Amino acid sequence: LAKTTQPISMDSYEGQEVNITCSHNNIATNDYITWYQQFPSQGPRFIIQGYKTKVTNEVASLFIPADRKSSTLSLPRVSLSDTAVYYCLVYSGGYQKVTFGIGTKLQVIP
Amino acid sequence: DVKVTQSSRYLVKRTGEKVFLECVQDMDHENMFWYRQDPGLGLRLIYFSYDVKMKEKGDIPEGYSVSREKKERFSLILESASTNQTSMYLCASSLFASGIGAYEQYFGPGTRLTVT
Repeated sequence: LAKTTQPISMDSYEGQEVNITCSHNNIATNDYITWYQQFPSQGPRFIIQGYKTKVTNEVASLFIPADRKSSTLSLPRVSLSDTAVYYCLVYSGGYQKVTFGIGTKLQVIP
Repeated sequence: DVKVTQSSRYLVKRTGEKVFLECVQDMDHENMFWYRQDPGLGLRLIYFSYDVKMKEKGDIPEGYSVSREKKERFSLILESASTNQTSMYLCASSLFASGIGAYEQYFGPGTRLTVT
C-alpha cells in the first residue's frame, strides 16, 4: 500500500484559496488518489478522487502531476465551515485495505 | 442516499465486559470496515470484510473480533474490554471494486465507547 505524507495542520483566513499537498512516492499503477473530509464528531466523507491531471467538482479541485508522486487538494475561497481534517488516501480496488492516517487539520480563521 | 447506522452513539462499559458494536448499511455494499479514532493517532483500521463470513485483519486487530453473518450487518466485538479500548469507533461500507478504481467509503456517525 502506498504511504502518504501530508502536513499535520494548516491555518487559513476566510476567503483564501487553500492548497494541501500530499506526497505518495510509491503509488502503484492502479492506485487512485482520494481525499476525505472529517468534521468534529462525524465520520469522514468523500470529497474528491482522481487518477491523473486535474479533477474538479463543486467542493474542490485535485491536481495530480504526470509522475503521480504527489497531489494537491485545492479548496477555493474557504469559509469557517471548511474547518475540518482532510485525509489523503491512495488505494485501488479489490480488498481496499486503506490507511487514513492522521490527516491535515485545517483551521479557517475569520 | 447511502445510510450507515451504528447501534449506539455513546456507550459506557466496565473493564472485562464483552462489548458488541453493531453496524448496518442499507446499500447492498460488499465491503464493510471498522476503524477506531484517537487524538493524535488518526483513523486506524481494525478489521474489514469483503463478503459475508469473510474478514481480514486491519492494522490493529488485537483485542477485537468481528462477525458478518449477513451482508448488511458487521459487528465488532471486544471480548474483554480494557481501558485502552476507550475510543471513537467508526464503521464504514463501500462497493467492491473488482478492477482499477476505488469506490468511496460511507461512514456511520460513530460510537464513543468509554471503558471504566
